[in-house]
This record gives sequence, C-alpha cells and structure tokens, in this order.
Amino acid sequence: EAEVAQSPRYKITEKSQAVAFWCDPISGHATLYWYRQILGQGPELLVQFQDESVVDDSQLPKDRFSAERLKGVDSTLKIQPAELGDSAMYLCASSRGASGGLETQYFGPGTRLLVL
Amino acid sequence: EDQVTQSPEALRLQEGESSSLNCSYTVSGLRGLFWYRQDPGKGPEFLFTLYSAGEEKEKERLKATLTKKESFLHITAPKPEDSATYLCAVPLGGSQGNLIFGKGTKLSVKP
Repeated sequence: EAEVAQSPRYKITEKSQAVAFWCDPISGHATLYWYRQILGQGPELLVQFQDESVVDDSQLPKDRFSAERLKGVDSTLKIQPAELGDSAMYLCASSRGASGGLETQYFGPGTRLLVL
Repeated sequence: EDQVTQSPEALRLQEGESSSLNCSYTVSGLRGLFWYRQDPGKGPEFLFTLYSAGEEKEKERLKATLTKKESFLHITAPKPEDSATYLCAVPLGGSQGNLIFGKGTKLSVKP
C-alpha cells in the first residue's frame, strides 16, 4: 500500500537555527498539504500545493517559514530562524486532487520538532 | 466562524464496553466530514468520509453516523488495540482542501 514518506522523523535544534523537512507524497497525488500539530490539538494547515503551485498559504508565517514543490512531486518545508514556539509535529498529507476539500487526505508519519 | 468540537476529551472504557464519541460542527455548507485515528507519535490514519445527513459507514467495530449538526463514532465491544485519539475534520467553507480538525477524543480501552 502506497504511503506518504517524511524525513527526518525527529529533529532537535536550537532557536535561531534553520531546519528543513522533506515529504514525498503518494505517487500520482497532485495535491500536497503541510500541517502543524501542537500536542493535544488537531492539525492546522500551513500550506497547500496543487502540483507545483501554492493554493493556500494563508496560515503560513511567511517571515520565517517557506515551502516549495519545484517539480510538483516532493516538497520541502523550511523554518529560518526556528523559535521555541515552533516545537510541534509537522505532518505532510497528499490527495489525488482537491475537489473542494472532499478528496481523502492521506497523512505521513510526521516530523517531531523540538526547539531548545 | 467554522468550528469543530469533539467530546469527551478523554474516554476510558473496559474491553467490551460500547460507547460513542461526538463531533459537532458549525460550518457554512457542509460538504463532508472525515474521521481519522491517530496513534501516539504517528500521523492520522483515515477511517471514514460522510457526505450527507443520514449517512452511515462501518469498519470492524466502528460505525460513523452524520446528522445536520453532528457526527457520532460508535465503538462496539472495543478492544485494547482500539486505544488511540480519534479526530474528526470538515473542509473549511470556500476552501480547496483546508480541513478544520477538532482537538480529538483520546480513547483508552483497558483489558
């Protein structure tokens, strides 16, 4: 069964350092999402791509976060500089399309970030 | 404001003790509702999609139902391996895929 891949699984960094997360969606899935999940909360969308284009980045803190999906396949999410409040689980999900939010989103295992 | 509220926050059951989890939502023009299961330290795992009031879906010991204001996840004769956090989510009104998640219900099933 095809899965969403993410790396690294865990990342510990000091504040003001740069960090990057990688995601490889399920093959053939055109839509890719990055979510952030704080412990005890539900995931919150940071950015959504349709192929290589950004569809929604309204919740992305653009002063420190950036995301790209250059060839419309895998994607990288970067934080520079990291702050203590960025400690969270970063989840990548993919779906075949968007269809107004009705396509099933399949999640990867996540990257647990701890900022010291 | 679009919102999803889940209750209870935590639920402890004995093995075999059936119960229900609630997900209430306020969203303009509901287009669908999703249920996910999340184990500690892992990503959410898709369970069900419900599209309209009155719809029901089942998978093993789980049954999801939908009304115009809420959804229920019924767990029949749960086993310890059903222990997890159960999340529900709805598409944000007018969005292209932004899911609004509840905080989840943490279910513990004791043998």
